[in-house]
Amino acid sequence: EAGVAQSPRYKIIEKRQSVAFWCNPISGHATLYWYQQILGQGPKLLIQFQNNGVVDDSQLPKDRFSAERLKGVDSTLKIQPAKLEDSAVYLCASSRALAGDDTQYFGPGTRLTVL
Amino acid sequence: DAKTTQPPSMDCAEGRAANLPCNHSTISGNEYVYWYRQIHSQGPQYIIHGLKNNETNEMASLIITEDRKSSTLILPHATLRDTAVYYCIVRVDPQKDSNYQLIWGAGTKLIIKP
Repeated sequence: EAGVAQSPRYKIIEKRQSVAFWCNPISGHATLYWYQQILGQGPKLLIQFQNNGVVDDSQLPKDRFSAERLKGVDSTLKIQPAKLEDSAVYLCASSRALAGDDTQYFGPGTRLTVL
Repeated sequence: DAKTTQPPSMDCAEGRAANLPCNHSTISGNEYVYWYRQIHSQGPQYIIHGLKNNETNEMASLIITEDRKSSTLILPHATLRDTAVYYCIVRVDPQKDSNYQLIWGAGTKLIIKP
């Protein structure tokens, strides 16, 4: 089966600009996650969707970050306006979310550099 | 905060078994231990998970102590391609109407040497 797809792979912007990332999960996976990974650290969950509903967005900086999953499949994550500290890799993951099988499968990530 | 403690780095000779330790002394009775790895510039990759019993798959073995306060991931015959950061994660039980979440620490950087 095809894996989690993300685009773009790399993005360089200046502070105060806007940026959007796209994720296509594995077909049939109900749950979708966005993580932020700062260099040298483990991934930090930003937001979790179950189908097209938000399950947890407690760590999403809502003053500048937004995410949507309108049809329960693809998702976009937006940052507006970007700050220097947003430089990180943004990872998308998906899982079946069935009882006993919630293994998360990750995409390659988008590396964001804010200048 | 992550519920696990891992050494920041380890070395292993190619062809030997790599044994990666993890402490999770505050784990609850129904919380699983997951292991993922992340090769440079790639997304994390699932390896294995377990609750109480030892587990084995095509990638690795997971040994969990009887008191469940620690575990060891074993890569039986390490190759250069196993060089990566290895994350040991305790899966946090969901709150009502939520899903399970993985709280990630900094992991162990494993370097396989020729």
